[in-house]
Amino acid sequence: DSGVTQTPKHLITATGQRVTLRCSPRSGDLSVYWYQQSLDQGLQFLIQYYNGEERAKGNILERFSAQQFPDLHSELNLSSLELGDSALYFCASSVGLGALRAFFGQGTRLTVV
Amino acid sequence: AQKITQTQPGMFVQEKEAVTLDCTYDTSDPSYGLFWYKQPSSGEMIFLIYQGSYDQQNATEGRYSLNFQKARKSANLVISASQLGDSAMYFCAMRETTNTGNQFYFGTGTSLTVIP
Repeated sequence: DSGVTQTPKHLITATGQRVTLRCSPRSGDLSVYWYQQSLDQGLQFLIQYYNGEERAKGNILERFSAQQFPDLHSELNLSSLELGDSALYFCASSVGLGALRAFFGQGTRLTVV
Repeated sequence: AQKITQTQPGMFVQEKEAVTLDCTYDTSDPSYGLFWYKQPSSGEMIFLIYQGSYDQQNATEGRYSLNFQKARKSANLVISASQLGDSAMYFCAMRETTNTGNQFYFGTGTSLTVIP
């Protein structure tokens, strides 16, 4: 158990819908990272938050947004979903900014039908 | 150009033998970090090892070591004394530090199978 909790584990939704993925980091970790893993694109970095502030942005679509709350949990919002958004979405957390020894959650498997 | 290149889609190794998984990277950032992650068939991602661009010595974590050749832009993972539980996908990744924050790049992965 990595200590990073992601919910839900699985999500099936229709095109055009909006979903929210949730991540609770390990106790003491201030950084949260979101990644997408798909067959087409492989592993991609989406966004990083540190202590409530956005610190880095990767290949995150405009239809996607994220935030980190005062209790340090994070949510990734995906809207106007398309079939191509089907993927495994990982959250990871680390103490500092550099992703050293980042621990990953089990992922949320999103299927858009 | 690809930021991270893993040229071995699949590798086989005999149990108890050592194996090297290749990774080359491309960056002009003087301060970068290199990571290896393991993804078993169950799907979770597990951090294995980290090497900073300024680290003089190769990183080691138990049976894992990173063969860092800076001039060649190479960061190969060496797993010693392979175990059946090492069968998994292995991803090489790089962190660049830009003026807008960190960027992370992943390779396409190498599937390692340990043969009894």
